[in-house]
Amino acid sequence: QQQVKQSPQSLIVQKGGISIINCAYENTAFDYFPWYQQFPGKGPALLIAIRPDVSEKKEGRFTISFNKSAKQFSLHIMDSQPGDSATYFCAATSPFSDKLTFGTGTRLTIIP
Amino acid sequence: EAGVTQFPSHSVIEKGQTVTLRCDPISGHDNLYWYRRVMGKEIKFLLHFVKESKQDESGMPNNRFLAERTGGTYSTLKVQPAELEDSGVYFCASSQAASGVPNEQFFGPGTRLTVL
Repeated sequence: QQQVKQSPQSLIVQKGGISIINCAYENTAFDYFPWYQQFPGKGPALLIAIRPDVSEKKEGRFTISFNKSAKQFSLHIMDSQPGDSATYFCAATSPFSDKLTFGTGTRLTIIP
Repeated sequence: EAGVTQFPSHSVIEKGQTVTLRCDPISGHDNLYWYRRVMGKEIKFLLHFVKESKQDESGMPNNRFLAERTGGTYSTLKVQPAELEDSGVYFCASSQAASGVPNEQFFGPGTRLTVL
């Protein structure tokens, strides 16, 4: 059973557009929701993270929106650039464990 | 400062053979994690070391997998004997000691294992 569901599997966005990736979770014990960015040949790297006590967190062009009642969270990339082309993973952890529970990943391609 | 390193970057073996993957965490990081991504699927947790002790090994698929962390430094993950379904990318991550808040996990580049 997949505890964190991520969509879409792949996404193509024009340069300057908004990229949106969605995730939904089942486990209400999750209390920390990071997003990881992975470039080819590299490991995932933390991009931005949110706790459920806030509904939105913004860092530069990257924003996480969080809906606790719907158990959903999403990543918005504003003014998307070709350098943002990568695979993005949402994840979640609970207070009882350090382990990350990941979504299946979204391959984002930004076209000029 | 060097990041998390993994060796080898690629390994191709035949079913039934043994493979050992190595991970060197960031110096000073007590926490070391192993994850695996089978093609197209999610990255799945395998286990978590705190120093040399196994804190959580709930994700280990079966007893063909053996993880060790000698002296709380580098870690090895041995698969013996390897099966076709073990193919995937194995990631290692490390983080500093827990302090009551989630620790950022720093990932290595992964080892791509192909079992033929």
